[in-house]
Amino acid sequence: DTAVSQTPKYLVTQMGNDKSIKCEQNLGHDTMYWYKQDSKKFLKIMFSYNNKELIINETVPNRFSPKSPDKAHLNLHINSLELGDSAVYFCASSSSSYEQYFGPGTRLTVT
Amino acid sequence: AQSVSQHNHHVILSEAASLELGCNYSYGGTVNLFWYVQYPGQHLQLLLKYFSGDPLVKGIKGFEAEFIKSKFSFNLRKPSVQWSDTAEYFCAAIVTGGFKTIFGAGTRLFVKA
Repeated sequence: DTAVSQTPKYLVTQMGNDKSIKCEQNLGHDTMYWYKQDSKKFLKIMFSYNNKELIINETVPNRFSPKSPDKAHLNLHINSLELGDSAVYFCASSSSSYEQYFGPGTRLTVT
Repeated sequence: AQSVSQHNHHVILSEAASLELGCNYSYGGTVNLFWYVQYPGQHLQLLLKYFSGDPLVKGIKGFEAEFIKSKFSFNLRKPSVQWSDTAEYFCAAIVTGGFKTIFGAGTRLFVKA
């Protein structure tokens, strides 16, 4: 059973388009995250939700909007995509033990 | 400000060599420390973690790390690396009661066969 799953795995799109990435975890965790990993492998937190409430919102352009319909899901919608948005986006979840479980990643390429 | 620093960005070793990757953190309060590994093309996976107790923690695949509070360090070690250890290694920290895990910039390890 996949603990944290993301779809799609690859996303190629043109500048200006709007796209969404979905994330689901079946671990029963209360906290979920979105991270962006750039080409140099630097991992930067974008958002965190705890029990469906937004608790971390880093300095991310407001073109990025997360949505958590329930504790098991955290989706990321991106409007007006730009070249600089190209990266690998990882969803993760954690329990009170702080250990994070990562999804397989979504490689977004904006052309 | 809270931060995690990894000293080496790129490390190249031959098989059977010993490995030590440095990690220093800057945190107030009780800190929980982690090492994650990212194999090529894959997601991050937990190698080991330290919360409290014995400062020498053992993880998977023969890795261990030592928490030295006086030096604010949590260095990762492995006595003999294998080609399959080629990966990116991330040190991370979170304060007890916090929600934000801070990751270091990562160390890319390449092991020559």
